[in-house]
Amino acid sequence: GNSVTQMEGPVTLSEEAFLTINCTYTATGYPSLFWYVQYPGEGLQLLLKATKADDKGSNKGFEATYRKETTSFHLEKGSVQVSDSAVYFCALRMDSSYKLIFGSGTRLLVRP
Amino acid sequence: KAGVTQTPRYLIKTRGQQVTLSCSPISGHRSVSWYQQTPGQGLQFLFEYFSETQRNKGNFPGRFSGRQFSNSRSEMNVSTLELGDSALYLCASSLETVTGGAYEQYFGPGTRLTVT
Repeated sequence: GNSVTQMEGPVTLSEEAFLTINCTYTATGYPSLFWYVQYPGEGLQLLLKATKADDKGSNKGFEATYRKETTSFHLEKGSVQVSDSAVYFCALRMDSSYKLIFGSGTRLLVRP
Repeated sequence: KAGVTQTPRYLIKTRGQQVTLSCSPISGHRSVSWYQQTPGQGLQFLFEYFSETQRNKGNFPGRFSGRQFSNSRSEMNVSTLELGDSALYLCASSLETVTGGAYEQYFGPGTRLTVT
């Protein structure tokens, strides 16, 4: 079946460091891919998305490129801030389905 | 536009009881999905409604049910609560159409259910 695999956390970085959170997927067909972020005590917020191969989603300094050849959608940010500390979820969705399939989430902790 | 709202935000119930959670989608959104979030299982899809019809259902027992009203508001019900039902229940709305399409889902803050 379709699935998403994320790197284990927590990821601990110093402020202004470069961030990469790995995400790979398995899908029969060509899914749309999403990154969501969850701050403590809150629901999920859509961070960015990409709907086809080679698309790059970007928002608030975060970027991710849809790589069909490696079935990946890694999240990157050039300079993280303390306020980026949260849990990040990679997700996929097939056009024929109405559900998001999530990875297990990666906790990011940014130290001042 | 107001976001997705969920009520109540917190709930404590006893094993064997039933519970109803409510979700109001973003204005204009006709699709509402429900997810369960637990530390052990992560985020799992429960079901999705569009125009009062359930279009997709996840792998949950029949104790979990839902419905959608003509104004797109949705409720989910869990009967005969078990300790393992303790979770954050998230509702999401989307600009889905009859034919689907990968529209992004916008989530509410969730209802934290604790079963004792």
